[in-house]
Amino acid sequence: QVQLQQSGPRLVRPSQTLSLTCDISGDSVSGNSVTWNWIRQSPSRGLEWLGRTYYRSKWSTDYAVSVKSRIAIKPDTSKNQFSLQLKSVTPEDTAVYYCVRDPGSPKWAFDFWGQGILVTVSS
Amino acid sequence: DIQMTQSPSSLSASVGDRVTITCRASQGISTYLNWYQQKPGNAPKLLIYATSRLQSGVPSRFSGSGSGTDFTLTISSLQPEDFATYYCQQTYSMPLPFGGGTKVDIK
Repeated sequence: QVQLQQSGPRLVRPSQTLSLTCDISGDSVSGNSVTWNWIRQSPSRGLEWLGRTYYRSKWSTDYAVSVKSRIAIKPDTSKNQFSLQLKSVTPEDTAVYYCVRDPGSPKWAFDFWGQGILVTVSS
Repeated sequence: DIQMTQSPSSLSASVGDRVTITCRASQGISTYLNWYQQKPGNAPKLLIYATSRLQSGVPSRFSGSGSGTDFTLTISSLQPEDFATYYCQQTYSMPLPFGGGTKVDIK
């Protein structure tokens, strides 16, 4: 059974960097068909996919245009985890952040989710 | 970008009712359409993937249909544990958007 355990600060000051980590058990961050995603949810923006990382003979990332200039998603194979960094945050980045697995073909769906962390951007 | 529109945004129903939720894509997405259920305080849970395939462990009263731009999620006989918010999501093309959600509450 796949489990995703998220960690990171719940309060971030405006203009600072939001950093979250997702520990994976029951699967490998380097898996050939899987992608590892970050999704956030807020009352104003609903469920918003932010980006993903995946390994297909080399590491790749895809990001949502809305955050592309501020985001980095990175794998850590030594710890079997992946991370999210979102720079220059504003109160609009306040949301519940989830790390999520997509197993790839034939599902192409988000089948395992982390517990979610409410991150508040406030001074 | 493809936009996903759900209707209705909320509905009230009774235990035993048949419930149908609609999701429309702004352009064709083949059958790359998934449905999720979310209860307050919890992460979304995958119910149906690829339009009509039931995720393991999901009761058979849930079903999905459609293709192209129009899709439906049907609950054949609503149970007390089904009161929740439901979201559609397309995985045909980036940026993998979700619909706005349909909240199902008790009449």
